[in-house]
This record gives sequence, structure tokens and C-alpha cells, in this order.
Amino acid sequence: GESVGLHLPTLSVQEGDNSIINCAYSNSASDYFIWYKQESGKGPQFIIDIRSNMDKRQGQRVTVLLNKTVKHLSLQIAATQPGDSAVYFCAENHLSGSARQLTFGSGTQLTVLP
Amino acid sequence: DTEVTQTPKHLVMGMTNKKSLKCEQHMGHRAMYWYKQKAKKPPELMFVYSYEKLSINESVPSRFSPECPNSSLLNLHLHALQPEDSALYLCASSQDPASGGHRDYYEQYFGPGTRLTVT
Repeated sequence: GESVGLHLPTLSVQEGDNSIINCAYSNSASDYFIWYKQESGKGPQFIIDIRSNMDKRQGQRVTVLLNKTVKHLSLQIAATQPGDSAVYFCAENHLSGSARQLTFGSGTQLTVLP
Repeated sequence: DTEVTQTPKHLVMGMTNKKSLKCEQHMGHRAMYWYKQKAKKPPELMFVYSYEKLSINESVPSRFSPECPNSSLLNLHLHALQPEDSALYLCASSQDPASGGHRDYYEQYFGPGTRLTVT
């Protein structure tokens, strides 16, 4: 299953399938991009990040792809599990004055169907 | 200990009340943040404290007043709020306010939030 992030805020996938969540960003000065997972009633939880000088990074069951040309970020989750159901946010991390600042994208609700 | 704690979990207040939200971390982090999150929306940055000094104020109305009494504590004082201020208020911390370089320095750890309802 695949979402287009800002334009399709919900994504439903069958358990065991792969999920792709997309995000567009705007700040060319951002040097880190991060994916967060937020479960109901909890704060955002770091999943994976990528530096702006990379185009791909893999973690455990997750892969982040960065396309700076079109300012696009995606999160791929392999073999999606029920525990993956949550809202996923991309975020840009950039230095603003004397402190780093996170700017979040609009988020995608991922629902894993049994 | 990688935990950021926030109290209270829930708060209901009238528009004439004064209340405070509290955030605490014991990771030795030198940057602390307040975010506001409306339902089904992303967190929006309100304030950043860097080494206990206010570093960023994202044009937040003066009815929200942050305070950083020491490096482990962050408060958000609330006064004369409006119903539209009802939201989840999230606190976060990171090891270094400005450093990039490695995730250990810039990763923000979030608390569970305080669910605020203004009546």
C-alpha cells in the first residue's frame, strides 16, 4: 500500500504487506529528515533519520528514501504488523539561530488490517 | 533513563483560570521544547530553551508563558486561555540545542503530552 502523504492522510494495508508513506518537504536548508511514529495517547517516537547528503538509509524493517531534487521523502515498512498502526510524521530538522528546530509534515494514519 | 515526563496527563480549565504544565527530564539534555498538537494535526513548535535560556518563541500569544527553572525542568504557565487553545501539549528534549553531526545530539525525545481542554 502507498500514500501520497499530504493528499491522502490515511493508508490501510494488509498485515504482512509492505507500506509506503510519502512526504513532501519545503526547506532546502534542512540537513536532517526524520520519521516519527505516534500512537494514540503518546508522544512522537523516533523511527529513523537520514542526512541530507544521503538518498537511502535502512533500519530494521524500515527504509527511508530522500529525493532532494523534488524535496520528497518516503518511509517504507516491510512486512507491516498490527503494532505498526499509528500516525507517521516526517520532520525536517534544521538550525534556526542558536537552536535546532523540527518542522513536522501533515502526517499519515496507517491502519494494518488482519 | 530516556524518559521525558509530563504532568498532569489531563487538564480542564476555565478561561479565567491560571494553571501550569510541567515537564521533566533527567538525561542531562540542554535543549527543551514545547509543542502544541491539535487533533489529527502535526505538532507545532511553540518554544525552545537552550541552556535554560529562551532561544525560540514561535510568535506564541502571551497567555502562554514558558519557564525553565533548571536544566531538568520546563514549565508552561497558562492564563486567560481560549477554547481554541484546547490541544495536546508536548514537551521534548535533546542533548545539544544546536549540534548536528550525530543523532545522539539532535534527536528529540518526546513526553506523552498533557491533554488540555479549555471550557
